[in-house]
Amino acid sequence: DGGITQSPKYLFRKEGQNVTLSCEQNLNHDAMYWYRQDPGQGLRLIYYSQIVNDFQKGDIAEGYSVSREKKESFPLTVTSAQKNPTAFYLCASSIDQGGYNEQFFGPGTRLTVL
Amino acid sequence: RKEVEQDPGPFNVPEGATVAFNCTYSNSASQSFFWYRQDCRKEPKLLMSVYSSGNEDGRFTAQLNRASQYISLLIRDSKLSDSATYLCVVNSGGGADGLTFGKGTHLIIQP
Repeated sequence: DGGITQSPKYLFRKEGQNVTLSCEQNLNHDAMYWYRQDPGQGLRLIYYSQIVNDFQKGDIAEGYSVSREKKESFPLTVTSAQKNPTAFYLCASSIDQGGYNEQFFGPGTRLTVL
Repeated sequence: RKEVEQDPGPFNVPEGATVAFNCTYSNSASQSFFWYRQDCRKEPKLLMSVYSSGNEDGRFTAQLNRASQYISLLIRDSKLSDSATYLCVVNSGGGADGLTFGKGTHLIIQP
């Protein structure tokens, strides 16, 4: 079955540590995205990528980094510079970057900073 | 950042009733519109794209009103399983960073 996967489902981090969230898709989609969702809030775009080895900052990129070395993979690193990292992180992909087509979401990673 | 506004609810609706909610958007140049459903602690999933002519999928009807800049979602014969948060998503035509998610409307169907 085609889909988008994220791991781990739950992640606990101590302050000052960097952590990397995994996102993999086998939908052959060109575009991939990372969002953050806080309770009672809409999704906010962190980074997006429309092609391998290229990515763009979203609205809240500070304290985060990404890479796109393969079409299927778009990992997100939450660095110690992110002041309030506890949130629900969602990865998504779409057939193109234009935003005119459906975005498919992974099951998410809940990050808690202890 | 262009705004997308939704009534957060919750809307408490008896099973079998019809419920409708709207989503307003501020950018008149917006080109694509979607309704997503998000269950508690789960990822959003596409419910419907919203076309200019309106569209229907079973018990669900979505409409677009460009003059007043809102989209609507109507759910007929509501089921307990319809309980969820419904997210309005608007693309202002600027690519991925032009995609704006509303905060969602929380719907509770009561037996």
